[in-house]
Amino acid sequence: SQQGEEDPQALSIQEGENATMNCSYKTSINNLQWYRQNSGRGLVHLILIRSNEREKHSGRLRVTLDTSKKSSSLLITASRAADTASYFCATPLAYNKLIFGAGTRLAVHP
Amino acid sequence: NAGVTQTPKFRVLKTGQSMTLLCAQDMNHEYMYWYRQDPGMGLRLIHYSVGEGTTAKGEVPDGYNVSRLKKQNFLLGLESAAPSQTSVYFCASSYGTGGRYEQYFGPGTRLTVT
Repeated sequence: SQQGEEDPQALSIQEGENATMNCSYKTSINNLQWYRQNSGRGLVHLILIRSNEREKHSGRLRVTLDTSKKSSSLLITASRAADTASYFCATPLAYNKLIFGAGTRLAVHP
Repeated sequence: NAGVTQTPKFRVLKTGQSMTLLCAQDMNHEYMYWYRQDPGMGLRLIHYSVGEGTTAKGEVPDGYNVSRLKKQNFLLGLESAAPSQTSVYFCASSYGTGGRYEQYFGPGTRLTVT
């Protein structure tokens, strides 16, 4: 069973626009993580937000967390063609086991 | 540092054949994981290890076995491959303590079972 569910499943935007992806999860968490996967590659960790944080920034990334709604969002500002990838949220269980959603496929067109 | 490496990158098996996938990490991580990713889906955990000599089942362990004889290596075995095991397999590792939860992933092994 999947803990996180991303929305939308696919997103197509132009360079320079902002991209927002949402994630919902089911159980209590102590942190939520976002990963990026370029086509044919492994996942790369982007950002981690802890359960006592509401917002976190890293470069052009902004992540929010609403534990009352069990949801998180990832905002990529001023997107670039190189941001084209799939983005996954993940929540850890014991021993850092990650439960992933199905991901959002982002296409950024020049 | 090479990070997490996986061998092989690609493999084609016939139904019933066996094979072993090798994962190696040079970050001295305690925890290691094997995931599979099917088209259009997220990753699902097969097995994991919290230290040398330990292994445990994940979400989808049937048809797979694992071993962690050395801290830096985590092997995934398929004893009798089935077409349903056609997938991309990812290995990952992470620190076991210190509040550092992020996982580091290998590049993946694309396996096709015919």
